[in-house]
Amino acid sequence: SAVISQKPSRDICQRGTSLTIQCQVDSQVTMMFWYRQQPGQSLTLIATANQGSEATYESGFVIDKFPISRPNLTFSTLTVSNMSPEDSSIYLCSVTGTGGLSYGYTFGSGTRLTVV
Amino acid sequence: QKEVEQNSGPLSVPEGAIASLNCTYSDRVSQSFFWYRQYSGKSPELIMSIYSNGDKEDGRFTAQLNKASQYVSLLIRDSQPSDSATYLCAVNHDNYGQNFVFGPGTRLSVLP
Repeated sequence: SAVISQKPSRDICQRGTSLTIQCQVDSQVTMMFWYRQQPGQSLTLIATANQGSEATYESGFVIDKFPISRPNLTFSTLTVSNMSPEDSSIYLCSVTGTGGLSYGYTFGSGTRLTVV
Repeated sequence: QKEVEQNSGPLSVPEGAIASLNCTYSDRVSQSFFWYRQYSGKSPELIMSIYSNGDKEDGRFTAQLNKASQYVSLLIRDSQPSDSATYLCAVNHDNYGQNFVFGPGTRLSVLP
């Protein structure tokens, strides 16, 4: 399975600022996914990042708040903009297994964000 | 709306016992089913996948799927304290990320 490097691993940020999270994969992948896991909660899909096209956002998530870049098949970034304490969560990038989504996801190590 | 339900737990079992984790899903046409293990402060790790009705065994883990009942379970035999974690059930309706839904997770505690 793919190996994903995600950084930063954690950060504490002031409200009103922005944080960009980077995700690097050791192989080329078509689709990358960004998830949020709020404290004590399960995973919620933020958006799907496709190389060469705009990201597809899930209901409740908008590009102005969570802009995503996907410059090539091994890299993606997620920015959390104009942060508030409600954005304190773990953010995870993921990719599908070989053969597509039917083989499940591999996750990065996650970014634990605290907004104060 | 597609939903995946799990008992939140905590589920406590003694070391060496069988832990049984259950998951139900609402979308009858779901095709792929996954169990993830998540240790506290870590990212989820895929431990089992199942696609057809019946049982699938991998070491101490057995996944069971019953599509008619829309039910998938995970059995952990000879439970160890190192199995203590949150177990997430995930269901994929088709091959697109928009239809990959996670359950809320069941917290398992294996008591030595």
